[in-house]
Amino acid sequence: AQKITQTQPGMFVQEKEAVTLDCTYDTSDPSYGLFWYKQPSSGEMIFLIYQGSYDQQNATEGRYSLNFQKARKSANLVISASQLGDSAMYFCAMREGPGNAGNMLTFGGGTRLMVKP
Amino acid sequence: DTGVSQDPRHKITKRGQNVTFRCDPISEHNRLYWYRQTLGQGPEFLTYFQNEAQLEKSRLLSDRFSAERPKGSFSTLEIQRTEQGDSAMYLCASSLVGGIEELAGRNNEQFFGPGTRLTVL
Repeated sequence: AQKITQTQPGMFVQEKEAVTLDCTYDTSDPSYGLFWYKQPSSGEMIFLIYQGSYDQQNATEGRYSLNFQKARKSANLVISASQLGDSAMYFCAMREGPGNAGNMLTFGGGTRLMVKP
Repeated sequence: DTGVSQDPRHKITKRGQNVTFRCDPISEHNRLYWYRQTLGQGPEFLTYFQNEAQLEKSRLLSDRFSAERPKGSFSTLEIQRTEQGDSAMYLCASSLVGGIEELAGRNNEQFFGPGTRLTVL
Protein backbone atom coordinates (compact mmCIF):
# COMPACT_ATOMS: atom_id res chain seq x y z
CA ALA A 1 0.00 0.00 0.00
CA GLN A 2 1.13 3.51 -0.74
CA LYS A 3 2.25 5.36 2.36
CA ILE A 4 1.76 8.79 0.81
CA THR A 5 -0.86 9.44 -1.85
CA GLN A 6 -1.23 12.60 -3.85
CA THR A 7 -4.23 12.15 -6.11
CA GLN A 8 -3.85 15.31 -8.21
CA PRO A 9 -1.18 14.91 -10.89
CA GLY A 10 -1.75 18.50 -12.04
CA MET A 11 -3.62 21.56 -10.85
CA PHE A 12 -4.32 24.97 -12.35
CA VAL A 13 -5.03 28.03 -10.24
CA GLN A 14 -5.63 31.63 -11.16
CA GLU A 15 -3.08 34.10 -9.86
CA LYS A 16 -4.07 35.59 -6.49
CA GLU A 17 -6.50 32.79 -5.72
CA ALA A 18 -6.07 30.06 -3.11
CA VAL A 19 -5.42 26.43 -3.97
CA THR A 20 -5.48 23.18 -1.98
CA LEU A 21 -3.14 20.30 -2.77
CA ASP A 22 -4.27 16.97 -1.38
CA CYS A 23 -2.20 14.45 0.56
CA THR A 24 -3.27 11.33 2.40
CA TYR A 25 -0.95 9.08 4.34
CA ASP A 26 -0.87 5.67 5.93
CA THR A 27 1.07 4.73 9.04
CA SER A 28 0.58 2.75 12.21
CA ASP A 29 3.28 4.69 14.05
CA PRO A 30 1.75 7.10 16.58
CA SER A 31 4.67 9.50 16.17
CA TYR A 32 5.28 10.88 12.73
CA GLY A 33 5.90 14.09 10.85
CA LEU A 34 4.45 15.39 7.64
CA PHE A 35 6.33 17.69 5.29
CA TRP A 36 5.60 19.60 2.13
CA TYR A 37 8.38 20.40 -0.33
CA LYS A 38 8.35 22.53 -3.47
CA GLN A 39 10.48 21.52 -6.45
CA PRO A 40 10.78 24.15 -9.19
CA SER A 41 12.01 23.22 -12.65
CA SER A 42 15.57 23.88 -11.49
CA GLY A 43 15.30 20.72 -9.38
CA GLU A 44 16.09 21.76 -5.82
CA MET A 45 13.73 20.59 -3.06
CA ILE A 46 12.56 23.54 -0.98
CA PHE A 47 11.04 22.89 2.43
CA LEU A 48 7.70 24.64 2.91
CA ILE A 49 5.94 23.46 6.03
CA TYR A 50 5.90 20.77 8.72
CA GLN A 51 3.20 19.17 10.87
CA GLY A 52 3.94 16.84 13.75
CA SER A 53 1.49 14.09 14.63
CA TYR A 54 1.09 15.44 18.14
CA ASP A 55 0.72 19.07 17.14
CA GLN A 56 -2.61 20.42 18.30
CA GLN A 57 -2.84 23.23 15.79
CA ASN A 58 -2.52 23.28 12.04
CA ALA A 59 0.85 24.53 10.86
CA THR A 60 1.16 27.84 9.04
CA GLU A 61 4.13 29.45 7.31
CA GLY A 62 3.35 32.71 5.55
CA ARG A 63 1.07 31.93 2.60
CA TYR A 64 1.27 28.20 3.30
CA SER A 65 -0.97 26.37 5.73
CA LEU A 66 -1.51 22.72 6.38
CA ASN A 67 -5.01 21.36 6.86
CA PHE A 68 -4.23 18.43 9.15
CA GLN A 69 -7.07 15.96 9.71
CA LYS A 70 -5.54 13.21 11.77
CA ALA A 71 -8.54 10.89 11.87
CA ARG A 72 -8.80 11.01 8.10
CA LYS A 73 -5.02 10.76 7.73
CA SER A 74 -4.89 13.74 5.47
CA ALA A 75 -2.48 16.68 5.38
CA ASN A 76 -3.53 19.01 2.61
CA LEU A 77 -1.43 22.04 1.69
CA VAL A 78 -3.25 25.33 1.20
CA ILE A 79 -1.50 28.10 -0.70
CA SER A 80 -3.20 31.45 -0.40
CA ALA A 81 -2.89 34.33 -2.86
CA SER A 82 -1.11 32.26 -5.52
CA GLN A 83 1.79 33.85 -7.35
CA LEU A 84 3.32 32.99 -10.72
CA GLY A 85 6.44 31.83 -8.89
CA ASP A 86 4.40 29.16 -7.13
CA SER A 87 4.31 27.13 -10.36
CA ALA A 88 6.26 23.98 -9.51
CA MET A 89 5.98 20.37 -8.38
CA TYR A 90 4.80 19.93 -4.81
CA PHE A 91 5.61 16.84 -2.79
CA CYS A 92 4.07 15.61 0.43
CA ALA A 93 6.38 13.48 2.57
CA MET A 94 6.19 11.59 5.85
CA ARG A 95 8.77 10.70 8.45
CA GLU A 96 7.70 7.81 10.67
CA GLY A 97 8.95 7.88 14.22
CA PRO A 98 9.89 10.87 16.35
CA GLY A 99 11.91 13.73 14.97
CA ASN A 100 15.02 12.91 16.95
CA ALA A 101 15.15 9.47 15.33
CA GLY A 102 15.96 11.18 12.05
CA ASN A 103 14.31 8.54 9.94
CA MET A 104 14.00 8.67 6.19
CA LEU A 105 11.27 10.52 4.34
CA THR A 106 8.69 8.73 2.21
CA PHE A 107 7.40 10.90 -0.61
CA GLY A 108 4.21 10.98 -2.60
CA GLY A 109 4.15 11.15 -6.37
CA GLY A 110 3.74 14.91 -6.41
CA THR A 111 1.33 17.45 -7.82
CA ARG A 112 2.29 19.88 -10.57
CA LEU A 113 0.82 23.28 -9.85
CA MET A 114 0.47 25.79 -12.64
CA VAL A 115 -0.49 29.37 -11.82
CA LYS A 116 -2.27 31.24 -14.58
CA PRO A 117 -1.80 35.01 -14.96
CA ASP B 1 27.34 29.07 0.80
CA THR B 2 26.42 26.91 3.78
CA GLY B 3 23.82 24.65 2.16
CA VAL B 4 24.13 21.08 0.92
CA SER B 5 26.25 20.82 -2.21
CA GLN B 6 26.52 18.02 -4.75
CA ASP B 7 29.03 17.36 -7.46
CA PRO B 8 28.75 16.96 -10.37
CA ARG B 9 25.39 18.54 -11.19
CA HIS B 10 25.13 16.54 -14.39
CA LYS B 11 26.76 13.31 -15.49
CA ILE B 12 26.42 11.56 -18.83
CA THR B 13 27.93 8.12 -19.08
CA LYS B 14 27.82 5.05 -21.25
CA ARG B 15 26.17 1.85 -20.10
CA GLY B 16 28.58 -0.33 -18.19
CA GLN B 17 30.72 2.50 -16.83
CA ASN B 18 31.12 3.27 -13.13
CA VAL B 19 30.10 6.65 -11.75
CA THR B 20 30.66 8.35 -8.40
CA PHE B 21 28.78 11.29 -6.97
CA ARG B 22 29.79 13.47 -4.05
CA CYS B 23 27.66 15.19 -1.42
CA ASP B 24 28.86 17.79 1.09
CA PRO B 25 26.27 18.26 3.84
CA ILE B 26 25.70 21.29 6.02
CA SER B 27 28.77 21.29 8.22
CA GLU B 28 27.18 20.72 11.63
CA HIS B 29 24.75 18.06 10.39
CA ASN B 30 25.34 14.50 11.54
CA ARG B 31 22.79 12.74 9.33
CA LEU B 32 23.23 12.36 5.58
CA TYR B 33 20.67 10.79 3.27
CA TRP B 34 20.67 9.69 -0.35
CA TYR B 35 17.51 9.61 -2.47
CA ARG B 36 16.84 8.81 -6.10
CA GLN B 37 14.20 10.61 -8.15
CA THR B 38 13.09 9.33 -11.53
CA LEU B 39 11.22 11.55 -13.96
CA GLY B 40 7.73 12.42 -12.79
CA GLN B 41 8.08 10.65 -9.44
CA GLY B 42 8.80 11.64 -5.89
CA PRO B 43 12.21 10.96 -4.36
CA GLU B 44 12.88 7.41 -3.23
CA PHE B 45 15.06 6.74 -0.18
CA LEU B 46 18.29 4.80 -0.77
CA THR B 47 20.48 4.96 2.33
CA TYR B 48 21.57 7.14 5.22
CA PHE B 49 24.47 7.76 7.57
CA GLN B 50 24.79 8.89 11.15
CA ASN B 51 28.24 10.45 11.18
CA GLU B 52 30.38 7.78 9.43
CA ALA B 53 28.09 4.84 10.22
CA GLN B 54 25.75 3.64 7.50
CA LEU B 55 22.56 2.83 9.41
CA GLU B 56 20.33 1.69 6.61
CA LYS B 57 21.36 0.26 3.28
CA SER B 58 18.73 -2.33 2.52
CA ARG B 59 16.97 0.17 0.25
CA LEU B 60 19.92 0.47 -2.10
CA LEU B 61 18.57 -0.66 -5.42
CA SER B 62 21.09 -3.39 -6.13
CA ASP B 63 24.57 -4.50 -5.17
CA ARG B 64 25.86 -2.20 -7.91
CA PHE B 65 25.05 0.72 -5.59
CA SER B 66 27.27 1.60 -2.67
CA ALA B 67 27.78 4.63 -0.49
CA GLU B 68 30.44 5.80 1.93
CA ARG B 69 30.96 8.57 4.42
CA PRO B 70 34.47 7.81 5.59
CA LYS B 71 35.12 10.73 7.92
CA GLY B 72 31.57 11.60 8.81
CA SER B 73 31.60 14.67 6.61
CA PHE B 74 31.15 14.33 2.85
CA SER B 75 29.65 11.22 1.28
CA THR B 76 30.03 9.45 -2.04
CA LEU B 77 27.51 7.33 -3.91
CA GLU B 78 28.94 4.92 -6.48
CA ILE B 79 27.08 3.03 -9.15
CA GLN B 80 29.01 0.26 -10.84
CA ARG B 81 28.26 -1.10 -14.32
CA THR B 82 25.60 1.51 -14.97
CA GLU B 83 22.41 0.59 -16.77
CA GLN B 84 20.00 2.81 -18.67
CA GLY B 85 17.48 2.34 -15.86
CA ASP B 86 19.87 4.11 -13.49
CA SER B 87 19.17 7.39 -15.28
CA ALA B 88 17.65 9.64 -12.63
CA MET B 89 18.28 12.56 -10.31
CA TYR B 90 20.29 11.58 -7.23
CA LEU B 91 19.52 13.81 -4.27
CA CYS B 92 21.45 14.20 -1.06
CA ALA B 93 20.00 15.65 2.13
CA SER B 94 21.34 16.33 5.59
CA SER B 95 19.89 16.98 9.01
CA LEU B 96 20.93 17.44 12.61
CA VAL B 97 19.52 14.77 14.88
CA GLY B 98 19.85 14.91 18.63
CA GLY B 99 22.01 17.51 20.27
CA ILE B 100 20.81 20.95 21.15
CA GLU B 101 17.16 21.29 20.25
CA GLU B 102 17.55 24.89 19.23
CA LEU B 103 20.05 23.87 16.59
CA ALA B 104 18.26 20.69 15.52
CA GLY B 105 14.94 22.33 15.11
CA ARG B 106 11.69 20.85 16.22
CA ASN B 107 11.16 18.82 13.14
CA ASN B 108 14.73 17.74 12.33
CA GLU B 109 14.15 19.00 8.83
CA GLN B 110 16.13 17.45 6.01
CA PHE B 111 17.86 20.02 3.82
CA PHE B 112 18.32 18.92 0.24
CA GLY B 113 21.13 19.59 -2.20
CA PRO B 114 20.58 20.53 -5.85
CA GLY B 115 20.99 16.93 -7.02
CA THR B 116 23.11 15.14 -9.60
CA ARG B 117 21.30 14.29 -12.81
CA LEU B 118 22.63 11.04 -14.29
CA THR B 119 22.02 10.06 -17.90
CA VAL B 120 23.12 6.60 -18.99
CA LEU B 121 23.36 6.19 -22.74
